[in-house]
Amino acid sequence: KQEVTQIPAALSVPEGENLVLNCSFTDSAIYNLQWFRQDPGKGLTSLLLIQSSQREQTSGRLNASLDKSSGRSTLYIAASQPGDSATYLCAVPSRAGTASKLTFGTGTRLQVTL
Amino acid sequence: GAVVSQHPSWVICKSGTSVKIECRSLDFQATTMFWYRQFPKQSLMLMATSNEGSKATYEQGVEKDKFLINHASLTLSTLTVTSAHPEDSSFYICSAPGPFRGYGYTFGSGTRLTVV
Repeated sequence: KQEVTQIPAALSVPEGENLVLNCSFTDSAIYNLQWFRQDPGKGLTSLLLIQSSQREQTSGRLNASLDKSSGRSTLYIAASQPGDSATYLCAVPSRAGTASKLTFGTGTRLQVTL
Repeated sequence: GAVVSQHPSWVICKSGTSVKIECRSLDFQATTMFWYRQFPKQSLMLMATSNEGSKATYEQGVEKDKFLINHASLTLSTLTVTSAHPEDSSFYICSAPGPFRGYGYTFGSGTRLTVV
């Protein structure tokens, strides 16, 4: 059974800092990995999707890397801003195909202070 | 990008009544819709998977008769909480796989249900 863990559980940083969020999964036979953010009381917003054949993906100040062999993914946020404050979740599908259940990580709650 | 529109955003209902939550895929067809429940400060818990034109698949421990799911078209899936009780108060979110393989999953904005 796939288990996904995120470290740290919570993080508070001053504005402008670069930071790294970690996601670990026990079964390395994943097909892709997706990073989301969730604002309080809101749904999930997709940030980045990395296919199993890719090593990293970038979108603006966000960069996600994937190392399947070690069962790890990291989300790098450059020059953090207060608007980045949210809970960040990583998720992997249970199998290939477009309609597979997702296994979510435990989440990292980020607070960026002024 | 692909959008899943979820309504209502919040609803308050009395114990014993039923509440319907709708999720619509905009600009793409969602043959599958996942329904999640989320308690405060916890991660998402998958409740059921709906497939257009067939019966939903419920996760272990989820009452089929309490949480009725209908996926009557390729763009609409509904979750009806029947005979709601205060313990059903929660945040409900739907999600659909994107319009093509490799797109990932798109989530609705969620519905905050409060049963009084």
